Amino acid sequence: EVQILETGGGLVKPGGSLRLSCATSGFNFNDYFMNWVRQAPGKGLEWVAQIRNKNYNYATYYAESLEGRVTISRDDSKSSVYLQVSSLRAEDTAIYYCTRFRELRYYFDYWGQGVMVTVSS
Amino acid sequence: IQMTQSPSLLSASVGDRVTLSCKAGQNINNYLAWYQQKLGEAPKLLIYNANSLQTGIPSRFSGSGSGTDYTLTISSLQPEDVATYFCQQYNSWTTFGSGTKLEIK
Repeated sequence: EVQILETGGGLVKPGGSLRLSCATSGFNFNDYFMNWVRQAPGKGLEWVAQIRNKNYNYATYYAESLEGRVTISRDDSKSSVYLQVSSLRAEDTAIYYCTRFRELRYYFDYWGQGVMVTVSS
Repeated sequence: IQMTQSPSLLSASVGDRVTLSCKAGQNINNYLAWYQQKLGEAPKLLIYNANSLQTGIPSRFSGSGSGTDYTLTISSLQPEDVATYFCQQYNSWTTFGSGTKLEIK
């Protein structure tokens, strides 16, 4: 059974940083590109970051709105992916979902339950 | 690529045939997915490549369309279909529509 579990959310002051973790199991992690997608309260979905697999040299991509403030990484030995977000702003308040797609398929077939990040003083 | 979903809110009766629309700002070559998000849950993939049904999804869900205009159809609305539905294009990187909230009348 595919499992995706995000941790690391919480309340952060503006200007602070946070590292989100995503632990996975039940599938061959090495075959997948991993992504973070966020959803502000009551709003739609916004893709945040992607990291490709070893076959694609672990290439990373970021949404323009967060470029320079986020870093995505993965540890294939732990089947885990991480998102470091810095200089947090109120508008970064959202549920952050970890999600996957198989190499070059680009549609997200499994999602974690998400982790809430609240940026507030 | 901007994705526009309509309507933003749809009320229908159990058993109705329901149609949700998603319009892309340019041709997306059928690189379109549909997701269902129930309250408090993560999105679930329903349809990919515009008309391919994801494994395990009931056959009352179907997708169609081409070019810039795409449709998600529920052939017979069930109470458990109450959710918000999002479309996603992946022809040019990826963007999501703003969603259609589906309610039971």
